[in-house]
Amino acid sequence: QSALTQPASVSGSPGQSITISCTGTSDDIGSYHLVSWYQQHPGKPPKLIIYEVYKRPSGVSNRFSGSKSGNTASLTISGLQAEDEADYYCCSYAGITTFEVFGGGTKLTVL
Amino acid sequence: QVQLQESGPGLVKPSQTLSLTCTVSGASISSGDYYWSWIRQPPGRGLEFIGYIYYMGRAYYNPSLKSRATISLDPSKIQFSLDLNSVTAADTAVYYCARAKTYYYGSGSPGNGFDPWGQGILVTVSS
Repeated sequence: QSALTQPASVSGSPGQSITISCTGTSDDIGSYHLVSWYQQHPGKPPKLIIYEVYKRPSGVSNRFSGSKSGNTASLTISGLQAEDEADYYCCSYAGITTFEVFGGGTKLTVL
Repeated sequence: QVQLQESGPGLVKPSQTLSLTCTVSGASISSGDYYWSWIRQPPGRGLEFIGYIYYMGRAYYNPSLKSRATISLDPSKIQFSLDLNSVTAADTAVYYCARAKTYYYGSGSPGNGFDPWGQGILVTVSS
């Protein structure tokens, strides 16, 4: 069982927007502004798409955005494209005994 | 461009030690701005943080691994390594090495995103 809770799957049509939630606790997401999101295509390593809740690394599309409220972080993908179909994982810093915790992952299907 | 590459045996027997190495190119592992990390992913499942190490040698581990994991650095070879002892079938996974930015300079800083990642290496635990 993962430390952070994500929906197992979400879907959307091309051009639409979707949001993936990531729920933690006051020990992780609720206490730190250090949430990151990763995109993983089949057979490939994960790719960082969001860090520090909402910041995008250079080269990542501005269609990806992140936010946080309380113990829940969210990833929104706007203008869905076929290439966005992948698994998405959230991660949060969780303090000096646990360090980093991941969510169980969400499979995004572009219909 | 920073690149990481995992290497090691793809098959380990139960109760033995899994040993992997990550070779870094395009960067020094003696930078105080990063942790050098190991993360694994069992087949068809999610990601699990194993641990990371700072260039001065202090390492931080997932407590669920119950002290079975050891991460070490070899700056002269621009490599870092993972040893995981007393393995069982539950340790079968793709093992990734990755660089993590530190949130602030210094050992003990929180990590701040894993980027980049190696391609991963599948390690199967079986007799």
